[in-house]
Amino acid sequence: AQKVTQAQTEISVVEKEDVTLDCVYETRDTTYYLFWYKQPPSGELVFLIRRNSFDEQNEISGRYSWNFQKSTSSFNFTITASQVVDSAVYFCALSEGYSSASKIIFGSGTRLSIRP
Amino acid sequence: DAGITQSPRHKVTETGTPVTLRCHQTENHRYMYWYRQDPGHGLRLIHYSYGVKDTDKGEVSDGYSVSRSKTEDFLLTLESATSSQTSVYFCAISERGQNYEQYFGPGTRLTVT
Repeated sequence: AQKVTQAQTEISVVEKEDVTLDCVYETRDTTYYLFWYKQPPSGELVFLIRRNSFDEQNEISGRYSWNFQKSTSSFNFTITASQVVDSAVYFCALSEGYSSASKIIFGSGTRLSIRP
Repeated sequence: DAGITQSPRHKVTETGTPVTLRCHQTENHRYMYWYRQDPGHGLRLIHYSYGVKDTDKGEVSDGYSVSRSKTEDFLLTLESATSSQTSVYFCAISERGQNYEQYFGPGTRLTVT
């Protein structure tokens, strides 16, 4: 069965520090997809990134980077030079299988607070 | 921003009463989803739809039913609300299914007293 673990419930750092949010997943499928979503204090959920299981290349988007390691079943998210606007709850998610009706599950989220 | 609206945005209801939440999209996406968000649980899938009149259960479907008679509307019904269904409900849409990015509505905060 699928499982997503975000062991860090809350993280608090000072602005300009780098911070890494951990995501560990479990799946028996060889084809699966990993996602990160952001939920700022306003409440809406915003898609950040999607990665499939055949693409282990790390991705960088501005101050955001993602490290996908199949060997450790992890898909960690790093924010470099954090800013107050990065304060949010971040969710990692996993879907598996080829079917467009495959089920997705979310981790319980990590609440990130950036202090000025 | 994806065109997704949810109504109502807030609702307080009593135990045992029926409640219907509506999700409306203007993106013509095939897939629509209902999630609930509770502290410590992240988001959990309730039901989803892969086309008009085509729906399936998610992880926490007990006590909920859905209907989709038009591409743009996906209704979530609590036949007889219970206090355990107090939650924030999010609707989401996707063009190609759960292996692809989803776009979320603003959420509905439901309180069952």
